[in-house]
Order: sequence, then structure tokens, then C-alpha cells
Amino acid sequence: NAGVTQTPKFRVLKTGQSMTLLCAQDMNHEYMYWYRQDPGMGLRLIHYSVGEGTTAKGEVPDGYNVSRLKKQNFLLGLESAAPSQTSVYFCASNKGFASDQETQYFGPGTRLLVL
Amino acid sequence: GNSVTQMEGPVTLSEEAFLTINCTYTATGYPSLFWYVQYPGEGLQLLLKATKADDKGSNKGFEATYRKETTSFHLEKGSVQVSDSAVYFCVHGAGSYQLTFGKGTKLSVIP
Repeated sequence: NAGVTQTPKFRVLKTGQSMTLLCAQDMNHEYMYWYRQDPGMGLRLIHYSVGEGTTAKGEVPDGYNVSRLKKQNFLLGLESAAPSQTSVYFCASNKGFASDQETQYFGPGTRLLVL
Repeated sequence: GNSVTQMEGPVTLSEEAFLTINCTYTATGYPSLFWYVQYPGEGLQLLLKATKADDKGSNKGFEATYRKETTSFHLEKGSVQVSDSAVYFCVHGAGSYQLTFGKGTKLSVIP
């Protein structure tokens, strides 16, 4: 049981390049999330999904797109990277709404540097 | 909107010292409250949670009590260890799947 995994662990991009971050979970969770973590800012929600085939915008969605074609995978895309997108990206998932299901489980993070 | 305010760090303590990290929240309704911990180079892990007023969450010697009257969820530990060095996040889930995070408090414990 791997939990939540993310690939890649680290990436350097040039401004204007594109890339996709992959998140996978093996816990059969319905809900998945992408966050970014910046110094002094805590975690901010980029996009989330409440089930296969669904996506929705979070607090800071601009410059990102997501897809959830399979229940276990949640992809985050950057079409044209900008230096402001330099950050650490975390994926998370949880089972559902109920109080014993709402705990989110996090992946190890992807560190992205945009030059 | 919902918000979480936690004490700013960094916090540096000697081993075996008492730890308190203050956290207050604003929210409508009755949110669940969490403390997550992030060890260096890792993702966030759930440390403890409380789902209703007066509940006490506890784990690994850490405790926090859900105080509705003061809208607080302060984290405490009686005797910290070097291995507790990490960043601690106070979080609330306002009855939905979306969490609101505090900015995090970095704790360093020195031998």
C-alpha cells in the first residue's frame, strides 16, 4: 500500500515550457487535491476533484489545468510555466465527507523551479 | 470566509521543554479541526484531529482540545524531543472536503 505518490520529485523548467505532474493513490479515495506550498503562505488549494471525470477550481487556479480520467490518478498541468509557479506542489486525497473519512493524505511533494 | 491563525515561528526549544502552539479559527458551523506535521523534506501527515466541541485529539504525546467558546485548538506537548523538529499546521475542515490551513509554525528542538 503506497498511499499517495507523486512524480517527478524535482523538476527545473524554463519560462514558457510545459509539464505535467502526476499524482496516484491506491486507497480508492473519491476526492483528490493539488496544493502549492510557498514560504510563509501555508498550503493553497489549486484544483480539486470530487470523483472520476470531475474537476473544480480552488483558491489559486490560474495558470494550471487538471484532469481526473481515472479515479486513482490526478494530473496537474502547467501549459506555459512562469517563475511565479516556482513552488512545492503537494497532492492529497481523502475518502469522503463523513467525519471519519475527511482526513486528507498527502504525497511527498514535487519541487518545481521555473527559471 | 474561513480562516486559521496560528502563532508565528520559528520556535526553538530545548529537549524536554513544554510546547504550546496557539491556533484560533473563524468559521461558520462546526468544523473539524486538525493538526498536521511536516518533517523536513516530506509531505504533511495527520498528527491529531477533533471533530466536535470539547473533543481532545492526541497522538505521540501531543494534545489539542477543541474549544468552541474561544474558537481555539492549541497544540501542546509536555516534553519535546529532537525528533519533534518539524513544521506544524493547524487546519480546519468546515464540514466539506476543502481544508483551510494556517501558515505553519516551525519548531526546532535542540539537545
